[in-house]
Amino acid sequence: AQTVTQSQPEMSVQEAETVTLSCTYDTSESDYYLFWYKQPPSRQMILVIRQEAYKQQNATENRFSVNFQKAAKSFSLKISDSQLGDAAMYFCAYNTGTASKLTFGTGTRLQVTL
Amino acid sequence: DTAVSQTPKYLVTQMGNDKSIKCEQNLGHDTMYWYKQDSKKFLKIMFSYNNKELIINETVPNRFSPKSPDKAHLNLHINSLELGDSAVYFCASSLNSGIFYEQYFGPGTRLTVT
Repeated sequence: AQTVTQSQPEMSVQEAETVTLSCTYDTSESDYYLFWYKQPPSRQMILVIRQEAYKQQNATENRFSVNFQKAAKSFSLKISDSQLGDAAMYFCAYNTGTASKLTFGTGTRLQVTL
Repeated sequence: DTAVSQTPKYLVTQMGNDKSIKCEQNLGHDTMYWYKQDSKKFLKIMFSYNNKELIINETVPNRFSPKSPDKAHLNLHINSLELGDSAVYFCASSLNSGIFYEQYFGPGTRLTVT
């Protein structure tokens, strides 16, 4: 079965510090996209960053960057200069197959402290 | 100028009732989805429509029936509601099916079955 594993149910980081959220996945497809979604208490799902499996260069979006290790099937999210507004559930997901089905991990709840 | 909207945002109903959740997108997208987020925050695809045609139908009880009257709308009808149907239901849309296309999520509908 194709799965996404987030081994950290909860993480905490101090404001202005850096935190890394882990994600591993298992797929037999050769081409796929990987995503990190943020879900704040408002429950809106917000796309944070995405990475195509064929691209070796790690994606970066402002304070958010990923460490994509294709051989290890690892896709971690690094948040630099953490802000109070970063507090949320973070979901790792991949999209594969012609029918475009997002498969999600179980999520990591990130707390940001002063 | 909401991109993906859902009505209602909250729905409380009794076991055995039939209810519908409506979804509309004004992005001009061809593909729409329904996801279910359970009490443990786990998100799973239920259905996907591309150009009003069903392309994904996961293992979902046949009490759930999606309907797409046109490309901009995808409704979810649930018959004979059960306690286990309590969850947050998210609608999403993308420009087309396929792994490349970003999925935009609606605000979710929290369904509570008593």
